[in-house]
Amino acid sequence: EPEVTQTPSHQVTQMGQEVILRCVPISNHLYFYWYRQILGQKVEFLVSFYNNEISEKSEIFDDQFSVERPDGSNFTLKIRSTKLEDSAMYFCASKIGTSDVPRFGSGTQLSVL
Amino acid sequence: QKEVEQDPGPLSVPEGAIVSLNCTYSNSAFQYFMWYRQYSRKGPELLMYTYSSGNKEDGRFTAQVDKSSKYISLFIRDSQPSDSATYLCAILTHTGGFKTIFGAGTRLFVKA
Repeated sequence: EPEVTQTPSHQVTQMGQEVILRCVPISNHLYFYWYRQILGQKVEFLVSFYNNEISEKSEIFDDQFSVERPDGSNFTLKIRSTKLEDSAMYFCASKIGTSDVPRFGSGTQLSVL
Repeated sequence: QKEVEQDPGPLSVPEGAIVSLNCTYSNSAFQYFMWYRQYSRKGPELLMYTYSSGNKEDGRFTAQVDKSSKYISLFIRDSQPSDSATYLCAILTHTGGFKTIFGAGTRLFVKA
């Protein structure tokens, strides 16, 4: 069965550094998402992306965050200047269309020191 | 009021028991109702989804939605130790980006 692929599985960075988290959504999917889960807390929506633009974002997704689909297969989340509180598991998800639901990748554990 | 409420548990049952997991939601505009399973430090794995009131069955799993009372359930028959995981209910809203809102997750332990 096709899967959403995320790299790296674990990223360690220093506070204030930029990080880019990478995702390869399922190949024929059209809607793309980023979520995060702080340890012991619920999965939280960050942003949705469709037709090469952001369609919705949460209050967490401030100016420090950006997303990009640089080519036909990759979907990236950039955090411009990481803070300690950005430490979390970040999940990418995709779905094929309006009558589908999101399928999730295995996540990238981001640790900000 | 939270958009999706779910008892975090933990819920501990003996092997072979029927497990009942439940969530309530507040917004009647929600469109799709999903159940995901999450193992520790892994991504949510889609188990089942539905968009209408009633029951949907897949093997040992049955998802039930009651839109009139804004209540969703997941039943697991003949539970196995391998079913031990966190179960997340989730609701898909039809906003501009089809945002998914998750419950807190219920931690389930099935004892052999």
